[in-house]
Amino acid sequence: DAGITQSPRYKITETGRQVTLMCHQTWSHSYMFWYRQDLGHGLRLIYYSAAADITDKGEVPDGYVVSRSKTENFPLTLESATRSQTSVYFCASRPSGGMGDTQYFGPGTRLTVL
Amino acid sequence: AQSVTQLDSHVSVSEGTPVLLRCNYSSSYSPSLFWYVQHPNKGLQLLLKYTSAATLVKGINGFEAEFKKSETSFHLTKPSAHMSDAAEYFCVVSPMDSSYKLIFGSGTRLLVRP
Repeated sequence: DAGITQSPRYKITETGRQVTLMCHQTWSHSYMFWYRQDLGHGLRLIYYSAAADITDKGEVPDGYVVSRSKTENFPLTLESATRSQTSVYFCASRPSGGMGDTQYFGPGTRLTVL
Repeated sequence: AQSVTQLDSHVSVSEGTPVLLRCNYSSSYSPSLFWYVQHPNKGLQLLLKYTSAATLVKGINGFEAEFKKSETSFHLTKPSAHMSDAAEYFCVVSPMDSSYKLIFGSGTRLLVRP
């Protein structure tokens, strides 16, 4: 049972480069999420998806692009990376059930933008 | 607006002594509440959740939390700390008017002294 995986686990890039972070889940969960974790902020939602081909902005979407052509994959792209996007990125998923359903988190990707 | 406040950024206890991590929430509706744990360089793992059933919720690894509506609190406790409990703990609220949204506290780092 692979669950939810993220790749790469660590990434160093330079300002202005495009970077794509991958997220894959094996549960066929309807919802998928991208968060960033920064000191003093807990986790903040970047984008989420309720189903394939349905995405919407979260709290901090600027500078990020997502797509979801398949239920199991939810890549996050930084089109032109900036130093302020240095962070730890977590992908999560949850089933399409009622209120309060648990979100399950991947192991995270630590991104450094130089 | 919904919010969650973790009252201590750091808590230090001796091994074998009780643990208390405090969390207060603000919500217009009866929310779902969660505690997640994050060990160093790991993803977030669900400890327990409250979804309007029993007010005392038991989780994994001996942790439990009590929902107190009158105090708008959801404190996490454990009778006896173990070295392996050292981690970051997040209190999270899911408002009942949202099917997906999670609001994270800023986290409490638990240190366990030998």
